[in-house]
Amino acid sequence: DGGITQSPKYLFRKEGQNVTLSCEQNLNHDAMYWYRQDPGQGLRLIYYSQIVNDFQKGDIAEGYSVSREKKESFPLTVTSAQKNPTAFYLCASSIGPAGANVLTFGAGSRLTVL
Amino acid sequence: AQSVTQPDIHITVSEGASLELRCNYSYGATPYLFWYVQSPGQGLQLLLKYFSGDTLVQGIKGFEAEFKRSQSSFNLRKPSVHWSDAAEYFCAVGARGTDKLIFGTGTRLQVFP
Repeated sequence: DGGITQSPKYLFRKEGQNVTLSCEQNLNHDAMYWYRQDPGQGLRLIYYSQIVNDFQKGDIAEGYSVSREKKESFPLTVTSAQKNPTAFYLCASSIGPAGANVLTFGAGSRLTVL
Repeated sequence: AQSVTQPDIHITVSEGASLELRCNYSYGATPYLFWYVQSPGQGLQLLLKYFSGDTLVQGIKGFEAEFKRSQSSFNLRKPSVHWSDAAEYFCAVGARGTDKLIFGTGTRLQVFP
């Protein structure tokens, strides 16, 4: 079955370390997204990509980086510059721009900073 | 400013009771509206969407929503709630040609037997 796979499910990080969250989709979707979810704040857009080798900052991109070298993959790196990285991270994809298309979500990755 | 408001943070209902979750939006263009559901520790799943046409839309799991342009609302309803409906529900708004979807802060639904 087609879908989005996020790994790892749980990740622990020491302060000052960079970590990379994986997101892979086999839906042949052009667009991919990373959201951060904190209790009571809904979903906030970190980065998005509409096409391979191109991506744009979302609303809270500071302290994060991404790459889109393959259509299927959109990894997110949480850098040491992100001051409060503990959160639930969701990857999503859609066939076209998110404003007018259904998003398919992965199961999420929970990052905890020790 | 573009925004989505879900005024109820937490709702508790008894199994078998009816349910209405409120969603109000502020958006400059003709809105495309979505309701997503999230089970604990999981990703989001689409319940239903409205792009145009009939303002009452049917979704999965027996849910429906009504678009009311005059009230800038897109409330989600279900006539009889099941215990498995306990989850968090998110309303979202977008538009044709836009890259971003604006999410509300969510409503957590608790169902008592």
